[in-house]
Amino acid sequence: NAGVMQNPRHLVRRRGQEARLRCSPMKGHSHVYWYRQLPEEGLKFMVYLQKENIIDESGMPKERFSAEFPKEGPSILRIQQVVRGDSAAYFCASSPKLTWGGVGTEAFFGQGTRLTVV
Amino acid sequence: KNEVEQSPQNLTAQEGEFITINCSYSVGISALHWLQQHPGGGIVSLFMLSSGKKKHGRLIATINIQEKHSSLHITASHPRDSAVYICAVKSWNNDMRFGAGTRLTVKP
Repeated sequence: NAGVMQNPRHLVRRRGQEARLRCSPMKGHSHVYWYRQLPEEGLKFMVYLQKENIIDESGMPKERFSAEFPKEGPSILRIQQVVRGDSAAYFCASSPKLTWGGVGTEAFFGQGTRLTVV
Repeated sequence: KNEVEQSPQNLTAQEGEFITINCSYSVGISALHWLQQHPGGGIVSLFMLSSGKKKHGRLIATINIQEKHSSLHITASHPRDSAVYICAVKSWNNDMRFGAGTRLTVKP
């Protein structure tokens, strides 16, 4: 059973380009969470999705960022017109249960995608 | 002030030393996680706690709900334990909040 797979591991984009980050959850997991980790800072929640639904996007910047988790295929985090401040590590976690973190739940993290905007 | 504070931020130890990393939080929680992040790598969940103490190999995690404090201990530390250790709490409003992490370096 493969773990959470994120690709690419490293992504370099010029300012103004689009970045697409992919996350394939563990088999059997239908809940996906995206987190951003800025240099020297902790993980920050961005968005929580179930298949075909955005459940909580309270951590997403209002502009340029979007996320989806289609019925088939990986979850995609899309950043349009990237700026230098978007440079960060983006982690995806998946869980078999609703809103991981409570007693009896666990989430599994991917290796992350390190986005560098030049 | 962050809702989840970890100390120390950085920790260097000699191989074999006993290590303690602390986490204090200011919100009501239903569970607390300790996560491990290796250099250039992903994040691994080490423990999930809602009370008391858990042990896995050389790792021990404790939590004091009344004092809103948790500790992660590593006995007989080894260079392969070098990583960033992250404390995360599940608050009662279902948010996950993360500490900034403690960077541990264990020297041979």
